[in-house]
Order: sequence, then structure tokens, then C-alpha cells
Amino acid sequence: DGGITQSPKYLFRKEGQNVTLSCEQNLNHDAMYWYRQDPGQGLRLIYYSQIVNDFQKGDIAEGYSVSREKKESFPLTVTSAQKNPTAFYLCASSIWGRGGENQPQHFGDGTRLSIL
Amino acid sequence: DQQVKQNSPSLSVQEGRISILNCDYTNSMFDYFLWYKKYPAEGPTFLISISSIKDKNEDGRFTVFLNKSAKHLSLHIVPSQPGDSAVYFCAAADTGAGSYQLTFGKGTKLSVIP
Repeated sequence: DGGITQSPKYLFRKEGQNVTLSCEQNLNHDAMYWYRQDPGQGLRLIYYSQIVNDFQKGDIAEGYSVSREKKESFPLTVTSAQKNPTAFYLCASSIWGRGGENQPQHFGDGTRLSIL
Repeated sequence: DQQVKQNSPSLSVQEGRISILNCDYTNSMFDYFLWYKKYPAEGPTFLISISSIKDKNEDGRFTVFLNKSAKHLSLHIVPSQPGDSAVYFCAAADTGAGSYQLTFGKGTKLSVIP
């Protein structure tokens, strides 16, 4: 089945540690995205990538880093510079629109990150 | 400054009746709108979308209405079923900006009562 796989589902981090969240998709989508959700809040965009080896900052990129070495993979690193990393992290992918065509983003099941 | 607002945090509806979820936006450049459904501890699932060139889009029990002059959209679910109980997010994009970044509302929790 085609889809988006995020791992692990739950992740614990000690203060001052970097941690990397995995996101893999087999939908052959060009674009991938990382969002953060806090309780009672909507999703906020951290980073997105339209194509391999290219990515752009979203609204809340500070304290995060990404890479896009393969079309299928878009890992997110939460660095020690992120002061409030406890949240639910969601990865998404989509066909990148051409000529105005609109394509929805499809989401993985998320990773919940907690600070010990 | 919230560009996409869902002013009702929660909504309760009897099974079989219509559920109407509302969403307002402030950015007049938004031209693509989506509704997602989300269960706890899962990722959002795409439900239905609408382009600004339309004012209505239907898919089975789900219909989205867009009123551009009022900067308002709504999702109608008819008839409502207990399995529809979830949090519904409205999202919008300015596709003319060359990206497909989505701006999300905070969500409305729908409870369908059997």
C-alpha cells in the first residue's frame, strides 16, 4: 500500500540532545512537509521541500533542520536550540502543482516527542 | 495573526442530522481550500477541497461551500454518522505564490451522538 511512514511513534529526548524524526513516502510525491501540532492548536509549517536537495523554511523553522537527499525521505532534526520541542510532529507529502492544478497533502500518523 | 479561523472549538449533532462546520479566512490571496478530518494520535485525512473558481464541491455525504465575498467556507455532512466524530481542520493555500503551503485553522471537534 502506498503511504507515508513516520517513525518512531513516540520519542523521548533529554534536555540538550538533538533528535531526528523519520519520514518516508512511497507515493512518488515531489513535495514533502513537516508540521508541528500543539494541544488545541492547528498545524504549523516547519519546513517543506519541493524537490530533492532543496527545502524552504516554514513559519516556525527556528531550532529545526531538515535534509532531502532522496525523493522518498525527508528527516527532521529537532535541535537543542528548539526551546519548546514537546509536540506532535506530522509529515506530509503531495504532488507539486503545475499550471495551477491543486493537489491535497497526505499525512503520516505522526511522532509524539516528549522531553524527559 | 490567525489567517484561518474556526471559531467553534466543538459541535454536537444527532446521528442522521446535518453537521455544519464553519471556517473564515482573512487573506484574500487564498485560492485553494481543504478540509481534513483527524482522529486522536493519527495524522489528518484529506476529505474534500475547493478551488476559488467554484462555490460548491460535493463528494458523497460531504459538501464544501465557498463564499469568497464573505471569506467564508463551510463543510456540510449529511447525514451525520457516529464515525464522523473527530476533529475537523480547515486549511487554505495561496497557490499563486508558487508554493502550496497550507495555513490551518485550530480545528472543530465534532461529536455525533447516536
